[in-house]
Amino acid sequence: AQKITQTQPGMFVQEKEAVTLDCTYDTSDPSYGLFWYKQPSSGEMIFLIYQGSYDQQNATEGRYSLNFQKARKSANLVISASQLGDSAMYFCAMREGSGANSKLTFGKGITLSVRP
Amino acid sequence: KAGVTQTPRYLIKTRGQQVTLSCSPISGHRSVSWYQQTPGQGLQFLFEYFSETQRNKGNFPGRFSGRQFSNSRSEMNVSTLELGDSALYLCASSSTGTGGPEQYFGPGTRLTVT
Repeated sequence: AQKITQTQPGMFVQEKEAVTLDCTYDTSDPSYGLFWYKQPSSGEMIFLIYQGSYDQQNATEGRYSLNFQKARKSANLVISASQLGDSAMYFCAMREGSGANSKLTFGKGITLSVRP
Repeated sequence: KAGVTQTPRYLIKTRGQQVTLSCSPISGHRSVSWYQQTPGQGLQFLFEYFSETQRNKGNFPGRFSGRQFSNSRSEMNVSTLELGDSALYLCASSSTGTGGPEQYFGPGTRLTVT
């Protein structure tokens, strides 16, 4: 089974509107971390936001927030007030376990296009 | 603070050759991880080094190897290149690699094998 699932096809959003990018995950480990990265056409992976499995509150970072629903195993990224520069690929990733294991498992990614 | 740097940014090689890619982590970071990104397979974990020791390894053939130096800089080597090795190779650094939120990526090296 896939550990990270991102099934949305290319997403489109109007500038200044909010958009939600879906991510579901699969793990039996009680300790894990969830990440969202942005990858523009230049190729660099830009860290956006992190949610730990034991965090009580949803993570927020500026215009980014993570809608963490643990029971449903979903970690959707919400981008508020979209900007043209938000057009990029977005990847959800998970790191399982604690200790010396920094392997990230990535989803297939979602392409977001922001329309002016 | 300078970010993660990778050299070279672009590389063209022919089948059968070998290649060495370099990654310099953020100052103070001791963990370096390598990932391969292709359109077909997406992002896949290659290996992770921490304090000059390989600590974790993905499912790649032995042609893919790496090492880390005492200054935390890391190199990745691919021998006997195949067409399928054409990919974007990304490295990421973190201070401890122990499950925290830090995992900062470099700009990548785009390798083309002809």
